Amino acid sequence: GAGVSQTPSNKVTEKGKYVELRCDPISGHTALYWYRQSLGQGPEFLIYFQGTGAADDSGLPNDRFFAVRPEGSVSTLKIQRTERGDSAVYLCASSLGFPGETQYFGPGTRLLVL
Amino acid sequence: SQQGEEDPQALSIQEGENATMNCSYKTSINNLQWYRQNSGRGLVHLILIRSNEREKHSGRLRVTLDTSKKSSSLLITASRAADTASYFCAPVITQGGSEKLVFGKGTKLTVNP
Repeated sequence: GAGVSQTPSNKVTEKGKYVELRCDPISGHTALYWYRQSLGQGPEFLIYFQGTGAADDSGLPNDRFFAVRPEGSVSTLKIQRTERGDSAVYLCASSLGFPGETQYFGPGTRLLVL
Repeated sequence: SQQGEEDPQALSIQEGENATMNCSYKTSINNLQWYRQNSGRGLVHLILIRSNEREKHSGRLRVTLDTSKKSSSLLITASRAADTASYFCAPVITQGGSEKLVFGKGTKLTVNP
C-alpha cells in the first residue's frame, strides 16, 4: 500500500511568513509523529498524535509551532512568523499504535526560510 | 536532548567488507531501533531489538544490545555500494508518560565499489 506522503517536498518562504506542512500517514495508523532534522543532525522529536489528540507535544520549540490532526488521519504542522533558524527538513512518521513500535517515515519537507 | 550517540561519525569501507556502527545511550530503554537514511530525506526502519534481547539478525544485518553497558551495535556484512547511507540508532525511552524515539547524529557510511 501507499507509504507516508508529505507535501510540499520543498518550501521556500521569507522570514516572518506563515507556512503549513502536510502529512498523509499510512491508512489505519493511529499514531503520527513530526520530527525536525537540521543538517548533520538526527531527527528531533516535535509532537506525537494518538488519533486526533496530541499525546505529547513536548518537542515543539515554542508557541510559533502548532500541529493539528482533526480527523485522525492527515496532519498539518503550522509555523507562524517563520525565522531563519526554522530552516530544516520536517519529517512525518506514522505507526500502527504506539511510539515504541516501528515508525514509517515520509520523504520530508525541506523548508528554507530566507 | 539526544540520547543515541553513534560512533564513528563517518565510516568508509570497500565493497565486500563488513561495517560496524556503535551506539551508546544514557537512560533505561524500552527497545532500540536502527534506521537508515539516504540523501537526508525519509528514514527507513531496519531493525527493532527489545530490551530483553541481546542479538537480532535480519538478512545481512546483525544488531546487538548490551543494556548493562547501555550500548548497541549494528553490523552490516558483505557490504555493497547500495548500503551507502546514514545510519541512526534510536533508543525508545519513556519521558513524560509517553514513549519516544530519541535519535543521535548518525553514522555516515560510504561503501566504495
